[in-house]
Amino acid sequence: KAGVTQTPRYLIKTRGQQVTLSCSPISGHRSVSWYQQTPGQGLQFLFEYFSETQRNKGNFPGRFSGRQFSNSRSEMNVSTLELGDSALYLCASSWGLAGGPGEQFFGPGTRLTVL
Amino acid sequence: AQSVTQPDIHITVSEGASLELRCNYSYGATPYLFWYVQSPGQGLQLLLKYFSGDTLVQGIKGFEAEFKRSQSSFNLRKPSVHWSDAAEYFCAVGALDSNYQLIWGAGTKLIIKP
Repeated sequence: KAGVTQTPRYLIKTRGQQVTLSCSPISGHRSVSWYQQTPGQGLQFLFEYFSETQRNKGNFPGRFSGRQFSNSRSEMNVSTLELGDSALYLCASSWGLAGGPGEQFFGPGTRLTVL
Repeated sequence: AQSVTQPDIHITVSEGASLELRCNYSYGATPYLFWYVQSPGQGLQLLLKYFSGDTLVQGIKGFEAEFKRSQSSFNLRKPSVHWSDAAEYFCAVGALDSNYQLIWGAGTKLIIKP
């Protein structure tokens, strides 16, 4: 079965621009989580979507937003890019069912560089 | 507050030597515990997980971890490391009442000496 895919893999933008990243979860998974990873900061949780609804949100400014479509594919958007937004953005999918967090399956990430 | 601590930012071991990576958590509920590995430029791959039952868990690539409730720890071990084990390792914790969100450690970077 196909794994989690993320597009694009690499992106270069300039300050002030906006960007949209895409994530396709494993077939059947209804939960998609997004993380920002930077050296020294580890994995920072952005948000989680389940069945098109944002179920959890991390501590990021409103410039970071996301959505999930009926086929469980998800996008995240960052508006008014800042230099500090340069990072690896990881998407993870899981079943997201009741009973607690199950294992998450990660995509390869999108490397965003803001110049 | 819920937290996960990986006390070692970097660990260097010789190829063929044994390895133990530490993970301590602070959590009010019975936790679900995970270890993930991230090779350079890659996403994270699940090594092993503990939900319940036997507290010694076997994972992929020859790794194992032991859940010790009394010490709030879930340390990762491997009897003999290979150069290909050089990567960053993350411990994560969740629970029934965590609203489906995993709490992540800061990671431990493993360096292998030839």
